[in-house]
Amino acid sequence: QVQLQESGPGLVKPSETLSLTCAVSGYSISSGYYWGWIRQPPGKGLEWIGSIYHSGSTYYNPSLKSRVTISVDTSKNQFSLKLSSVTAADTAVYYCARQEDTAMVVGLDYWGQGTLVTVSS
Amino acid sequence: SSELTQDPAVSVALGQTVRITCQGDSLRSYYASWYQQKPGQAPVLVIYGKNNRPSGIPDRFSGSSSGNTASLTITGAQAEDEADYYCNSRDSSGNLVVFGGGTKLTVL
Repeated sequence: QVQLQESGPGLVKPSETLSLTCAVSGYSISSGYYWGWIRQPPGKGLEWIGSIYHSGSTYYNPSLKSRVTISVDTSKNQFSLKLSSVTAADTAVYYCARQEDTAMVVGLDYWGQGTLVTVSS
Repeated sequence: SSELTQDPAVSVALGQTVRITCQGDSLRSYYASWYQQKPGQAPVLVIYGKNNRPSGIPDRFSGSSSGNTASLTITGAQAEDEADYYCNSRDSSGNLVVFGGGTKLTVL
């Protein structure tokens, strides 16, 4: 069974960098698939942040691209998110997920349970 | 603003059929996937692509598409189907991932 687990600080100060890691078990990242980050502000909808392939190829939401870096560590079977210069608007539950990505469809079939990150001084 | 548009709220009587829709230009070229999210929980994929249900998803959930509209149909809605439902697909350029704004389903 594929499982994902987010980890990282639950509180980040404004202007600092949010850093999260997603540990994957039950499946080797090196075997394929894209791996994505999605966030959900309190009481609002889902927003795709970006995704990475096991080779390291990435693509990001244009609205966040200047502040986002997603990386992968296949030796640890995990991938990470960094979001710089955070503000209160970045307060959200952050999810990682496995992303089926073909020519015709995108689907996120396994999700972590999510971690709430609050941006506050 | 999202490139995929969903009705904010839909209701259905227990045991009846409900259709939740997702509109967007990109849906003329790409399939949608659908997610169910209950309060305090992570989203769960219920329909992937044309009409594929992951293992464990009841067969009362089905997907379809016509023109710029994708639909999630629940045939014989149950109380436990009350949740938020999100569609996702690619954007018009085909290069990015987008989500609809979500539909809150109430089962009466």
